[in-house]
Amino acid sequence: GNSVTQMEGPVTLSEEAFLTINCTYTATGYPSLFWYVQYPGEGLQLLLKATKADDKGSNKGFEATYRKETTSFHLEKGSVQVSDSAVYFCALARMDSSYKLIFGSGTRLLVRP
Amino acid sequence: DGGITQSPKYLFRKEGQNVTLSCEQNLNHDAMYWYRQDPGQGLRLIYYSQIVNDFQKGDIAEGYSVSREKKESFPLTVTSAQKNPTAFYLCASSIEGGGLNEQFFGPGTRLTVL
Repeated sequence: GNSVTQMEGPVTLSEEAFLTINCTYTATGYPSLFWYVQYPGEGLQLLLKATKADDKGSNKGFEATYRKETTSFHLEKGSVQVSDSAVYFCALARMDSSYKLIFGSGTRLLVRP
Repeated sequence: DGGITQSPKYLFRKEGQNVTLSCEQNLNHDAMYWYRQDPGQGLRLIYYSQIVNDFQKGDIAEGYSVSREKKESFPLTVTSAQKNPTAFYLCASSIEGGGLNEQFFGPGTRLTVL
């Protein structure tokens, strides 16, 4: 079946540190991949997406590259800020009749000043 | 401002009671979704609707019911048949059905069964 696996958190970093949150997926065919972010007490917001192999999604300094050979979509940011503290969800969507988003379990990021 | 509203933010219910969670959107989106979020887990799809007067079960529909009588509204009823209803519930919408379309989320309702 289809699934998404994320690294367990929390990930704790100091401000201006480099961030990587790993995400790997299992899916048949060619899914689209997403990163959503959830700030404390809020719903989810789309952070970035990629719809085909080798695509790079980017937004607000975050980047992720769709790697079909390693079935991965790792999230990176060169210099995190305290305001980036949130829970990050990796998700995939398949082009089948269900058209559902399948989410990973989420990774909590804590950035300290 | 366009967006999705969910009410109430916090909801308490006694065991054995049904409760309805509200979700309204003014984005003119065709598709709407209900997710459940539990601590340490990702979101799980309860129900979704791609168009008015039509909806489909998601992965964990048992103990829940929905209606889609109006385009802007997609209320979720948590029935007494739901064995473990305490959770954070998120409503979302997209321009049309299909995971490739960005889903916009509401702020959520936290339901606690006493």
